[in-house]
Amino acid sequence: DSGVTQTPKHLITATGQRVTLRCSPRSGDLSVYWYQQSLDQGLQFLIQYYNGEERAKGNILERFSAQQFPDLHSELNLSSLELGDSALYFCASSVALRTSGGQETQYFGPGTRLLVL
Amino acid sequence: AQKITQTQPGMFVQEKEAVTLDCTYDTSDQSYGLFWYKQPSSGEMIFLIYQGSYDEQNATEGRYSLNFQKARKSANLVISASQLGDSAMYFCAMREGLSGSARQLTFGSGTQLTVLP
Repeated sequence: DSGVTQTPKHLITATGQRVTLRCSPRSGDLSVYWYQQSLDQGLQFLIQYYNGEERAKGNILERFSAQQFPDLHSELNLSSLELGDSALYFCASSVALRTSGGQETQYFGPGTRLLVL
Repeated sequence: AQKITQTQPGMFVQEKEAVTLDCTYDTSDQSYGLFWYKQPSSGEMIFLIYQGSYDEQNATEGRYSLNFQKARKSANLVISASQLGDSAMYFCAMREGLSGSARQLTFGSGTQLTVLP
């Protein structure tokens, strides 16, 4: 158990709908990352938040948005869903931006498996 | 260009034998970190081992070791004494830069390891 929690574990919805995925980081971790894993694109970074602020953006579609709340949990909102959005969505967390040394391991949650029909 | 290349889509190893999973990377940064994650069929991403670009010694964690050859830009994972439970997908990942705010990981396409009894 990594200490990162994600809900729900599975989500089935229809095209055009909107869903929200939730993530709670490990205790003490300030950074949250969202990744998408699909068969055709592999594992791709979507977005990073640090202590409530957006810090980096990857291949995140405009239909997708995220936020990190004062209690450090994060939500990923996916709207106008398409069939191609079906994927495993991971949240990961790490300690902080500035740490002594180089290692800042990202610990992954169990993922939310999204199926768009 | 691919930043992380894993050339072995699938590998087989006999139980109790050692196996090497290949990973090459491409970066112009002097400071970077290399990670290996394991993804069993259940889907979670499990952190295995880390190697920093300035680390002089190869990283080891139990049965896992990382064969780091900086000049060749390779970071191969060695699993000793393979166990049936090692059957999983293995991902190599890189984080470029040790300073600044961008901390996302770039993943390779993965290697599916099957341990044979």
